[in-house]
Amino acid sequence: ETGVTQTPRHLVMGMTNKKSLKCEQHLGHNAMYWYKQSAKKPLELMFVYSLEERVENNSVPSRFSPECPNSSHLFLHLHTLQPEDSALYLCASSQKWLDGNQPQHFGDGTRLSIL
Amino acid sequence: AQSVTQLDSHVSVSEGTPVLLRCNYSSSYSPSLFWYVQHPNKGLQLLLKYTSAATLVKGINGFEAEFKKSETSFHLTKPSAHMSDAAEYFCVVSSNTGGFKTIFGAGTRLFVKA
Repeated sequence: ETGVTQTPRHLVMGMTNKKSLKCEQHLGHNAMYWYKQSAKKPLELMFVYSLEERVENNSVPSRFSPECPNSSHLFLHLHTLQPEDSALYLCASSQKWLDGNQPQHFGDGTRLSIL
Repeated sequence: AQSVTQLDSHVSVSEGTPVLLRCNYSSSYSPSLFWYVQHPNKGLQLLLKYTSAATLVKGINGFEAEFKKSETSFHLTKPSAHMSDAAEYFCVVSSNTGGFKTIFGAGTRLFVKA
């Protein structure tokens, strides 16, 4: 039990579909993160939310739309994705944004495949 | 500016022999340093962290790392490898000052041979 739960674990979708990834943390943390992990590439930070406010958006295409309704839940809405978006999407949380002393706690990810 | 370099993309050891995974960092400020492990189809799990206390840090599963400021290194070691240690390992540098940033290394894949 990592304290960060991601659903679904696997997702296959066509380029015209709309789907959402869900992340839930049970750790009482105030910051939540979306990362993209592709083969042979370093981990890419996509979005950061602190107390439900988006505080970082690293030039992510608009076909990815995050939502943070409360400090325990984070969504990533997907629309009109491209084959190069196939990857493992990881959610993480930490006690506080802008506190580099605190580690991040990761979920097991959603493996996304775009047909 | 901050950066982190994992010097080996792959390391292969025999079971029961020592493990050394190398990490060099660059930071203009006093950094925090972390090692994470990722097993197949899993998220990243924290192994250990250094946050300006003791320079030799002990982590889970028998791993430890030593912070060497003069060498700007934070290498991960384990005296005796186990088959279950086969995974990918990430070195991470983070700092609160000079603009908050967390930088992940590219990862080192550890193979353990029977």
